[in-house]
Amino acid sequence: EAGVTQSPTHLIKTRGQQATLRCSPISGHTSVYWYQQALGLGLQFLLWYDEGEERNRGNFPPRFSGRQFPNYSSELNVNALELEDSALYLCASSWGAGVDSPLHFGNGTRLTVT
Amino acid sequence: TQLLEQSPQFLSIQEGENLTVYCNSSSVFSSLQWYRQEPGEGPVLLVTVVTGGEVKKLKRLTFQFGDARKDSSLHITAAQPGDTGLYLCAGARSEKLVFGKGTKLTVNP
Repeated sequence: EAGVTQSPTHLIKTRGQQATLRCSPISGHTSVYWYQQALGLGLQFLLWYDEGEERNRGNFPPRFSGRQFPNYSSELNVNALELEDSALYLCASSWGAGVDSPLHFGNGTRLTVT
Repeated sequence: TQLLEQSPQFLSIQEGENLTVYCNSSSVFSSLQWYRQEPGEGPVLLVTVVTGGEVKKLKRLTFQFGDARKDSSLHITAAQPGDTGLYLCAGARSEKLVFGKGTKLTVNP
């Protein structure tokens, strides 16, 4: 079975631009989670989508947004990029809607803002 | 304030040694998960512990969930270079899975 796939693997943007990151979950998984992994900060929860709806969001400004499509794939949009947005963005999927369900992670998109 | 504190942050040992890493919190979790992340890859689930006092073994790895479900430990016996990686604990709380900052383990041959 194919794992969680993320694209692109690397993305370089300049400050003020917008970035779009994409994620395809494991087949049959309906929940998609987005995490930011910045150096020294660990994994910070960004967003959780299930069945096309946003279920929860972390402590990030509104310029971080996303959506989940009918096929359960998801995209994360970051507007007005700032230097501190440089990080590895990880997408994960799970088969259940509960937060106790184990997460299956993709290998991430490395976003660099210059 | 970090909800889940992991210690130590960094650990470098020789092949064959034993080690324990800790995941502590003042909060109660309904479950706790352990992941390992290797460079350039996403975290991979190792185990989920649910019941207070639960002990799970995965080959040379032993995971324990504290009786009060606030803390957990991971013990590795006879560590091997293949155990090198970032070990992350994650707890379910308030409709989100929160992660500790991890323990970066290096096992030298």
